[in-house]
Amino acid sequence: EVQLVESGGGLVQPGGSLRLSCAASGFTFSSYWMHWVRQAPGKGLVWVSRINSDGNSKSYADSVKGRFTISRDNAKNTLYLQMNSLRAEDTAVYYCASSGDTGSWGQGTLVTVSS
Amino acid sequence: QAVVTQEPSLTVSPGGTVTLTCGSSTGAVTSGHYPYWFQQKPGQAPRTLIYDTSNKHSWTPARFSGSLLGGKAALTLSGAQPEDEADYYCLLSYNSVRVFGGGTKLTVL
Repeated sequence: EVQLVESGGGLVQPGGSLRLSCAASGFTFSSYWMHWVRQAPGKGLVWVSRINSDGNSKSYADSVKGRFTISRDNAKNTLYLQMNSLRAEDTAVYYCASSGDTGSWGQGTLVTVSS
Repeated sequence: QAVVTQEPSLTVSPGGTVTLTCGSSTGAVTSGHYPYWFQQKPGQAPRTLIYDTSNKHSWTPARFSGSLLGGKAALTLSGAQPEDEADYYCLLSYNSVRVFGGGTKLTVL
């Protein structure tokens, strides 16, 4: 069974940093592109970032470019999102998701940016 | 950045058929946008229903199908069930960037 489990969310002050993790199991993690998606309270889904299977190609939404960094450790079957210079508008549930025929989502981790 | 448009809300009768669409501000949606469709129920994580225009996952009910229709991506629900009431989101690929639509709230009534 494909499973994705996010962790690392919490309360952080504006301007602070946080690193999210997504532990994957049940599929060949190293073969799949992975994504981060966020959802502010009561709002729709917003694509944040994606990384290709070997980690050499990354892309970001304009709203997070230069502040967030996606990475992966295929030996540990783990996806990461390093979030710096956090703003109030980054407050959201962050989901990791696998692409293609795996099509799985984690349960999400809540990031709250507030003083 | 491209804007992806969806109907804000739709209503379908139980057993009825409804088509949700997904348009792009850049022009016609093609298979090269690799359309995805997701379902999200209140308090739950999203679930992928369709990938790459029309491919289903093992958990996707047979009553859901994806296609390209009139320059848009489309999700058709044939034989709606009460449990299909949910928010539906499409996702399009623009080279290396992905963009979600604003979502369609589907009511089964």
